Amino acid sequence: DGGITQSPKYLFRKEGQNVTLSCEQNLNHDAMYWYRQDPGQGLRLIYYSQIVNDFQKGDIAEGYSVSREKKESFPLTVTSAQKNPTAFYLCASRRQEHGDTQYFGPGTRLTVL
Amino acid sequence: AQSVTQLDSHVSVSEGTPVLLRCNYSSSYSPSLFWYVQHPNKGLQLLLKYTSAATLVKGINGFEAEFKKSETSFHLTKPSAHMSDAAEYFCVVPAVAGTASKLTFGTGTRLQVTL
Repeated sequence: DGGITQSPKYLFRKEGQNVTLSCEQNLNHDAMYWYRQDPGQGLRLIYYSQIVNDFQKGDIAEGYSVSREKKESFPLTVTSAQKNPTAFYLCASRRQEHGDTQYFGPGTRLTVL
Repeated sequence: AQSVTQLDSHVSVSEGTPVLLRCNYSSSYSPSLFWYVQHPNKGLQLLLKYTSAATLVKGINGFEAEFKKSETSFHLTKPSAHMSDAAEYFCVVPAVAGTASKLTFGTGTRLQVTL
């Protein structure tokens, strides 16, 4: 069963804690992306990676960190430096041969208590 | 930089009536354009994509969109709404011409379908 998986589906965090959101894909896609979605807004890009061991900041990278040690995996860490982390987080991936089409995972809803 | 504007934040239709979700784009050339759909608490699903091969693009679930360069529009339509079409719809364009890395999303249109 091919696709993009994100875990957990729901995540609760206390203020001051770091949390890591998982994103895995078995589509053999080259590039992976993390987006943040807030109510009434479109998606905003946090980080993206086009190849293993390389990644770039998106529009709202402050307070977040990522790694890309394997082609299949692109975990996102929400650090305590992120001032307003409560949001819906979406991971996406893209295959070079498919141009600019991105395919999305089911998302993780993070709530800071 | 390229951008999209979704003209309605909320659209309500009756089941069985036509759907029109409006999107205007800003670009110095004919860009790729996408429509994605998001059901509550789900990820985004690609509905359709325009790549300049044909101005009328057919997508999944009976949706289609027409690229009109003279009007800089890419409106999404469906002849007959179904209850399952209730969702949020995003018009999307690559952020920078010539790069396949980043997408720019509209702010979304929430489609409500009533009986």
